[in-house]
Amino acid sequence: DIQMTQSPSTLSASVGDRVTITCRASQSISSWLAWYQQKPGKAPKLLIYEASTLESGVPSRFSGSGSGTEFTLTISSLQPDDFATYYCQQYNSYWTFGQGTKVEIK
Amino acid sequence: QVQPQESGPGLVKPSQTLSLTCTVSGGSISSGSHYWSWIRQPAGKGLEWIGRIYTSGSTNYNPSLKSRVTISVDTSKNQFSLKLSSVTAADTAMYYCASLLTWGQGTLVTVSS
Repeated sequence: DIQMTQSPSTLSASVGDRVTITCRASQSISSWLAWYQQKPGKAPKLLIYEASTLESGVPSRFSGSGSGTEFTLTISSLQPDDFATYYCQQYNSYWTFGQGTKVEIK
Repeated sequence: QVQPQESGPGLVKPSQTLSLTCTVSGGSISSGSHYWSWIRQPAGKGLEWIGRIYTSGSTNYNPSLKSRVTISVDTSKNQFSLKLSSVTAADTAMYYCASLLTWGQGTLVTVSS
């Protein structure tokens, strides 16, 4: 099984901050990685797939990078609507999710 | 864009079988996504992939649940289904059906007598 490890688990930041979340796979997954945003009581929302492709309608302040085993999600300037939990997901071999990163207001 | 929607009982008794259906609207279940998945999320916890089905009927399951899970598809109804047997309180969760690009809103299933 492919394990996904996200860091940090919790992140405190202010509006306007640049935020970076890291996801590491236990083995190479090429670029078969997605990032989701989840707000309380809601289903996860796809932000990025194939490691760096922005889903239609997602603001350009979100970006993804990486390949192989190391990936990052960057929010260039944190907005009030961005406080949420973020999950990475590999889909190279079945699906596995990271444990999540909660972005909180500092 | 196709949109999935979960349905099924919100309360299941311990040792019984949990049964959920995902209905795909806005297009054919066979168009776009090659496969459809079930995912669950206990309250306050992370996401767990349960398994997936291709529209051909081929399936893959999470090894930790494989002995209790069955996923099937009915392309004529634009639906696919989840059955999870011998449930316990640990199976209480929000259950989602999804393709990679689109998720249903989820349905809460509670296991309790």
